[in-house]
Amino acid sequence: GAVVSQHPSRVICKSGTSVKIECRSLDFQATTMFWYRQFPKQSLMLMATSNEGSKATYEQGVEKDKFLINHASLTLSTLTVTSAHPEDSSFYICSAALLGELFFGEGSRLTVL
Amino acid sequence: KQEVTQIPAALSVPEGENLVLNCSFTDSAIYNLQWFRQDPGKGLTSLLLIQSSQREQTSGRLNASLDKSSGRSTLYIAASQPGDSATYLCAVRRSNDYKLSFGAGTTVTVRA
Repeated sequence: GAVVSQHPSRVICKSGTSVKIECRSLDFQATTMFWYRQFPKQSLMLMATSNEGSKATYEQGVEKDKFLINHASLTLSTLTVTSAHPEDSSFYICSAALLGELFFGEGSRLTVL
Repeated sequence: KQEVTQIPAALSVPEGENLVLNCSFTDSAIYNLQWFRQDPGKGLTSLLLIQSSQREQTSGRLNASLDKSSGRSTLYIAASQPGDSATYLCAVRRSNDYKLSFGAGTTVTVRA
């Protein structure tokens, strides 16, 4: 099956710094990727749709200046959490679509101190 | 807005019992419904995908049914094993834009 990889799997940073998370489709090209956020014991919430070669589409309530998304190639999308604060601590998961099905990365745990 | 609910939130059963996990959704105009497994601190593994025109899908010990008119799906896991312990998520896709609405999941513990 299709493989989606995320890096890093865990990151700890100080408040006020920026953190970049990468999402790669390893064995297929993905023109569209998706970024989700998951709080403990809660469902995944879609943050934004990442489109290769164009601007990301953000869901209502998601700050586009806080969560910068770049989809520079057909296999890579990046999410940058700018000026991170403790409330940004969460589990971030990306997904990519292939032949009508979505495949998910392993997730990235962000802890902001 | 599509609301997806999963009941129960947690379930503990002895090994060998059959598992029944429920998922309900408020808008019956769906494209498909997907069941995922999530292990602690990990991403999602797709288990079964049911298209809106289908009534059920089966894979090994797993069987998922879909009743669009009543807004329900059920995941059955036969003869549960300790390795089945995980959180099971139900997700509904509304159209061909790939956006999914997730339930909060059912956390399953299978006791040896």
